[in-house]
Amino acid sequence: NAGVTQTPKFQVLKTGQSMTLQCAQDMNHNSMYWYRQDPGMGLRLIYYSASEGTTDKGEVPNGYNVSRLNKREFSLRLESAAPSQTSVYFCASTERTSSYNEQFFGPGTRLTVL
Amino acid sequence: AQSVTQLGSHVSVSEGALVLLRCNYSSSVPPYLFWYVQYPNQGLQLLLKYTSAATLVKGINGFEAEFKKSETSFHLTKPSAHMSDAAEYFCAVSAVTGANNLFFGTGTRLTVIP
Repeated sequence: NAGVTQTPKFQVLKTGQSMTLQCAQDMNHNSMYWYRQDPGMGLRLIYYSASEGTTDKGEVPNGYNVSRLNKREFSLRLESAAPSQTSVYFCASTERTSSYNEQFFGPGTRLTVL
Repeated sequence: AQSVTQLGSHVSVSEGALVLLRCNYSSSVPPYLFWYVQYPNQGLQLLLKYTSAATLVKGINGFEAEFKKSETSFHLTKPSAHMSDAAEYFCAVSAVTGANNLFFGTGTRLTVIP
């Protein structure tokens, strides 16, 4: 099993450009998450999908959109990138939304917006 | 609301010495607590989790953590540090409603000195 995979690994954008970060999991998990990691701030939740067909905002959703394409895939879109969105983005999944379930993380996408 | 505080953004220990990484939590309900490790340029990997079954939790790679309700703490320890333990460590508490996402601390970077 590959676990949680993310593409691309690295990306450089200019301000105003758009892009989609891809995430896929092969563990048959129901719930998926997008976090961003910034220096000195830990990880913060952008959006999540409790199950296929549902998505909801997290702590820092502004400037992002998501799509739960199917049970395996959960993409994050930046419509008009801004320098403040320079960050490392992690996708995670868990069997189902529950307080005690472990979340499994992908390797991350390092995004720089110039 | 749930939150965690990690004391010390950087900790250095000598190889073979005790590792102690501190985490205090704030939660209005009994918490579910996690420690994750992040090696350079990688995603997060679960070290251990507390889900109220036992106050002393053993994890992978010789790490353990003790839940102390009276001190609202969940400190991570390892009796003898190895060079391979050099990484960033994150304490997290699970949200109890909605997304059941993780609220992360700001992380502690562990350096092991040979």
